[in-house]
Amino acid sequence: DGGITQSPKYLFRKEGQNVTLSCEQNLNHDAMYWYRQDPGQGLRLIYYSQIVNDFQKGDIAEGYSVSREKKESFPLTVTSAQKNPTAFYLCASSMAVTVYEQYFGPGTRLTVT
Amino acid sequence: GQNIDQPTEMTATEGAIVQINCTYQTSGFNGLFWYQQHAGEAPTFLSYNVLDGLEEKGRFSSFLSRSKGYSYLLLKELQMKDSASYLCAVRDKRWDYKLSFGAGTTVTVRA
Repeated sequence: DGGITQSPKYLFRKEGQNVTLSCEQNLNHDAMYWYRQDPGQGLRLIYYSQIVNDFQKGDIAEGYSVSREKKESFPLTVTSAQKNPTAFYLCASSMAVTVYEQYFGPGTRLTVT
Repeated sequence: GQNIDQPTEMTATEGAIVQINCTYQTSGFNGLFWYQQHAGEAPTFLSYNVLDGLEEKGRFSSFLSRSKGYSYLLLKELQMKDSASYLCAVRDKRWDYKLSFGAGTTVTVRA
């Protein structure tokens, strides 16, 4: 069964701690993305990667970091520099950036107190 | 970025039709997507328009007018399970083909 997995579904952290959200896909997609969703707002792009070992900043990259060492995996680290980290984080993938729709994972709801 | 506007909320009765409008402004338009998102879940792809006209897929249809910067998603024969948020997203070739999302329209279907 092909798809995107994100774990965990819910994550709780104390302020000042870094936390890494995992995203794995077995769809053989080249492109992967991280979005953040806040109530009443559209999805906002944090980082995206068009190919292994390459990634670009999205619209709200400050306080976040990513890596793309394997085609299947695109982990997101929320650092202590992110001012408002509590949000719903969605990972997505597509065959390529320029064409085709994006498929989304189930999301991770991060709460930082 | 770009402005993508859609209504915040809509309510309709089971069995009825609802039309969700989306307007956008971009000079690098490269496709418009509609996604459905149930509360707390991942968005799922509904439709894609890149040329003007109507795309029909079962109970759902999507229309695009590039000259007007306008799209709509038409949901027919509404069912309770259609209660969800509907997201309009525009791909822009000026911005590396990234998607920009509207805030979403929450549709509530009442019995």
